[in-house]
Amino acid sequence: DIVMAQSPDSLTVSLGERATITCKSSQSVLYSSNNRNYLAWYQQKPGQPPKLLIYWASTRDSGVPDRFSGSGSGTDFTLTISSLQADDVAIYYCQQYYSSPWTFGQGTKVAIK
Amino acid sequence: QGQLVQSGAEVKEPGSSVKVSCKASGGTFSSYTLNWVRQAPGQGLEWMGGIIPIVLTANYALKFQGRVTITADESTSTAYMELRSLSSEDTAVYYCARAQGGGFDAFDVWGQGTMVTVSS
Repeated sequence: DIVMAQSPDSLTVSLGERATITCKSSQSVLYSSNNRNYLAWYQQKPGQPPKLLIYWASTRDSGVPDRFSGSGSGTDFTLTISSLQADDVAIYYCQQYYSSPWTFGQGTKVAIK
Repeated sequence: QGQLVQSGAEVKEPGSSVKVSCKASGGTFSSYTLNWVRQAPGQGLEWMGGIIPIVLTANYALKFQGRVTITADESTSTAYMELRSLSSEDTAVYYCARAQGGGFDAFDVWGQGTMVTVSS
C-alpha cells in the first residue's frame, strides 16, 4: 500500500496569512505515460463530508476559491492557502488514487491564530 | 454535478451486520465508480472498497475482504455496502463517494455520511 504522510498535524495561522501543508507519498504517484500525478486534496469541516479541492495535484475543482493551490510531483506535494479566511478552518487530507487501495494522509487541522 | 444520498443512522449489536445504501442522482450512474470510505470518531479517512456499476465489479481493501460486500443496482441508481461481524471498532461514519470512470480519479461527490454505532 502507498503510505501518505502529511505535515504538520496541525497549524495555526493568522487571518490573511499563508498556510502550507505538505504531503509525502511512500512511492511515486506520477504516471509517466500521461505525466499526471494521481493526488487529490480534500477539505473537511466538522460534521460534514470531505469536499474535493484539488485533483491531479494542481487542478482546482469547480467553485474552489483561487486562494487554494496545489503543487508538487512524484512523491512530494503541497497545498497552499494564500490568504487564510475564517471559512478555511477545517481538516485537510491528501489522497493518492494511483494504486489501489486508495489511501489518505492522516489529516492536517488548520485553525486561526 | 450529481448528488449522493445515504440511508439513515444505524445502531447495531456486536456480531451483527449492517447494510448502508447510497442513491445517486445527476450524471450517468453506470459511468462512475462508487466508493465507500469510513471515518471513526476523531480519526482520519479509510477507503473500504468500490464498485463500477456498469460491470458490477467490486474491489476491496485487504483489511475488509471477506467481511464487506459492495453491490449496485443500476435500475435504482443505488449502491450498497454491507459489513458483517461488527465490533465496536466498526463504529464510524460511513461515506459513499463518486469517482469518474474506472476509479483512477479523485472523489468528486460525497454522500452526507451514515453513522453506524456498534454497541451492546
